[in-house]
Amino acid sequence: QQQVKQSPQSLIVQKGGISIINCAYENTAFDYFPWYQQFPGKGPALLIAIRPDVSEKKEGRFTISFNKSAKQFSLHIMDSQPGDSATYFCAASMSSGGYNKLIFGAGTRLAVHP
Amino acid sequence: DVKVTQSSRYLVKRTGEKVFLECVQDMDHENMFWYRQDPGLGLRLIYFSYDVKMKEKGDIPEGYSVSREKKERFSLILESASTNQTSMYLCASSQRSGRGSNQPQHFGDGTRLSIL
Repeated sequence: QQQVKQSPQSLIVQKGGISIINCAYENTAFDYFPWYQQFPGKGPALLIAIRPDVSEKKEGRFTISFNKSAKQFSLHIMDSQPGDSATYFCAASMSSGGYNKLIFGAGTRLAVHP
Repeated sequence: DVKVTQSSRYLVKRTGEKVFLECVQDMDHENMFWYRQDPGLGLRLIYFSYDVKMKEKGDIPEGYSVSREKKERFSLILESASTNQTSMYLCASSQRSGRGSNQPQHFGDGTRLSIL
């Protein structure tokens, strides 16, 4: 019940295309859903996050869509660029006593070809 | 900008050795975390700390311990290293989360540990 399932494992997109990464969770107590971006040799960095009281959040070319009833959320990267090539992790957590323990998906390796 | 610094980028140790991984953050964050990252498994939480000298087990604490004597420093200890602990280790820190709010975790660049 603590798992976050992420798909696909890898994704190849042409420059200018839309990249879509999906995640699903079971625990309805989760109340925070961040996405992290990781470049080779670097630690993950927070990209965008959403709470379950909204269905969509957009920041530039990055959009999170959230479906509470289906317990699914996805990351859309519009107009994908070669510089977006990285590994993306979805995560989920619930607020608890001043800290939030993140449960991560397995990651998606995105390659954007020019 | 938040900076989380891990003392080593690469480390090679032998089976049975006691291994120390060090992490320092410069933003006065209350919370600190240790994860390991393995291909196909994502990041898994080993231990975390929400205050000096306080620690909590994460999802995979077996074979590990931690120490937090100062607010800015969080150490991961492999008591007796084994080959299945070969992995990328990531440290993170965050501010204390308030009721109904979530503070982002800021990660270091990782230590790639090989146990021979």
